[in-house]
Amino acid sequence: EAQVTQNPRYLITVTGKKLTVTCSQNMNHEYMSWYRQDPGLGLRQIYYSMNVEVTDKGDVPEGYKVSRKEKRNFPLILESPSPNQTSLYFCASSPQMRDWGRERGYTFGSGTRLTVV
Amino acid sequence: DQQVKQNSPSLSVQEGRISILNCDYTNSMFDYFLWYKKYPAEGPTFLISISSIKDKNEDGRFTVFLNKSAKHLSLHIVPSQPGDSAVYFCAASYTGNQFYFGTGTSLTVIP
Repeated sequence: EAQVTQNPRYLITVTGKKLTVTCSQNMNHEYMSWYRQDPGLGLRQIYYSMNVEVTDKGDVPEGYKVSRKEKRNFPLILESPSPNQTSLYFCASSPQMRDWGRERGYTFGSGTRLTVV
Repeated sequence: DQQVKQNSPSLSVQEGRISILNCDYTNSMFDYFLWYKKYPAEGPTFLISISSIKDKNEDGRFTVFLNKSAKHLSLHIVPSQPGDSAVYFCAASYTGNQFYFGTGTSLTVIP
């Protein structure tokens, strides 16, 4: 089954304790991205990657890191989590889109609910 | 600044009636628009899309309308069913892989 897999689904951690949320896709997609969803703010992009070893900042990158060493994996790293990073996180992937190929947008993972206390 | 806006955080509709979800955008460069549906504890899933060369696209009970002059799109669900109860996000793009999302509208269909 074609899918984007995130782990863990739920995570409670303490301020300052480094954590990694993993994301893996099995569709050979070039493009991967991380979003956070917060009440009243919708989905905001954190980082994205156009291909292996190519990453760039989205709208809210502060406090996050990413890496793309393999095509299928795109982990999100919080070096020193803070309470304002408590949120619902989604990983997404898509094939490289040309103008005619944007019909279905992204495939999203099921989400990771992170609480930082 | 939010380039894609959904001004109604929530909407309640009786089963069998029409649901109309609205979305406004500010960037006139946007030329592709999508609607996603999200159930609790799941990721958003693709619902329907429309290119700026069209003003309407239908898929079963779902129709998306695009008014480029007003920078407005809407999603019509007819007839609404209880299983349609979810959060709906609109998204817009003007190049490649970059999509900009609205804040979402929570639809409740009352049996």
